[in-house]
Order: sequence, then structure tokens, then C-alpha cells
Amino acid sequence: SQTIHQWPATLVQPVGSPLSLECTVEGTSNPNLYWYRQAAGRGLQLLFYSVGIGQISSEVPQNLSASRPQDRQFILSSKKLLLSDSGFYLCAWSLQYNEQFFGPGTRLTVL
Amino acid sequence: GIQVEQSPPDLILQEGANSTLRCNFSDSVNNLQWFHQNPWGQLINLFYIPSGTKQNGRLSATTVATERYSLLYISSSQTTDSGVYFCAGGNAGGTSYGKLTFGQGTILTVHP
Repeated sequence: SQTIHQWPATLVQPVGSPLSLECTVEGTSNPNLYWYRQAAGRGLQLLFYSVGIGQISSEVPQNLSASRPQDRQFILSSKKLLLSDSGFYLCAWSLQYNEQFFGPGTRLTVL
Repeated sequence: GIQVEQSPPDLILQEGANSTLRCNFSDSVNNLQWFHQNPWGQLINLFYIPSGTKQNGRLSATTVATERYSLLYISSSQTTDSGVYFCAGGNAGGTSYGKLTFGQGTILTVHP
């Protein structure tokens, strides 16, 4: 069966520091991958999606970037964190653009 | 883009009560999911329901695609049903790539 992992689970970083969050999927091939952010405990906002290795699409302009170096690996990065980057980051996967399945998330606090 | 409106924003129930949560979409979707977010933040898939009716135990969902809404029914609610319920919709084909737009959620609290 398929599983999705995210790490770290929690992260506290100072303003201006770099960021790297990792998401990996097991048990499937060529998944579509998505990064979402949840702020203030309510709705999720799509940040990036990827339909293949090296293919990244951004949904909103921001201080973050994404990369997909391997088929089942999706990385969210920043060179310099802002206070407004705090939030709960969730990675998701799907096949054939259908049902999405989410990872456990990373809770990021920028101080 | 698609707008998703969920109602009610908050719901307080006594254990054993039934409830209905609603999700309205501003445009047609052929990708529609309901989730329950647990206290640790994990999104649990409840239903993938672009159209029709599905049931899973005490939960059921109905989507009327032509009228752009979906309903989630919770019967005989339990304290463990507490949490945030999200609906999300999008389009599976073309250049939409299955992207989901989420509603703002319904916070459900079930008291014993």
C-alpha cells in the first residue's frame, strides 16, 4: 500500500534562516505531488504542484520554492524565512489527478 | 478560480445527535473530497465523491454535481467525531492537474 512521509514534524526557525521540508511517497510510481499550507487552523492553500521529475508549478507568488529531484520526492525550500511563512505544511499525492492523500504535515514556526 | 463555501462554520452537538454539513462550489467540479482533520492535524480522507451518494458507517455523503453542492451527513455523533471537516473540489482533467480548492472548514464539537 502507499504511504506518504513528511519531515521534520515540527520546526522552529529564526527569521532569515533557510528552510528545507521533505516529502516522500512509497508504494506508487509517477504520482502527482502537491504542497499546501494551512494558516490559522482553517482552509488549506495550494502552493506548488508537480506532475513529474523536475516539473514544478507555482500557484501563488511567495518566498518559497519547490523541487522534485526524484519521482517520489518533493522538497519545499526557502533561502530566507519570513514571519509570514509560519504555518502547517502538508504534502499530498494522487494518481491520474483523482483522489488526493495527505501526509502528516510539518508545523513551522518562524520567530 | 473556484470558490468553495462551507456551512456552518461551527457546530456544537450532544452525543447521539445527527448533523448535516454543506459545501457549495462557484463552478463545476469533477474532483470532490471530504476530509476530517484530527487534533494532530492529519487530514483523514472521508469520501471521494464527484457525484452520487456514498456511505461509510455512520457517515454518508451526497454530491449533486449539476447544482454544485455536496452534503456530509453524520448520524449518531460521537465525541470522537469532533474536529474540523473540510470539503475540497477541483477538476481532474486538462490543465487543472487535479488541484484542489478547500473550503474554510466546519469545526464540529460533540459533547458527551
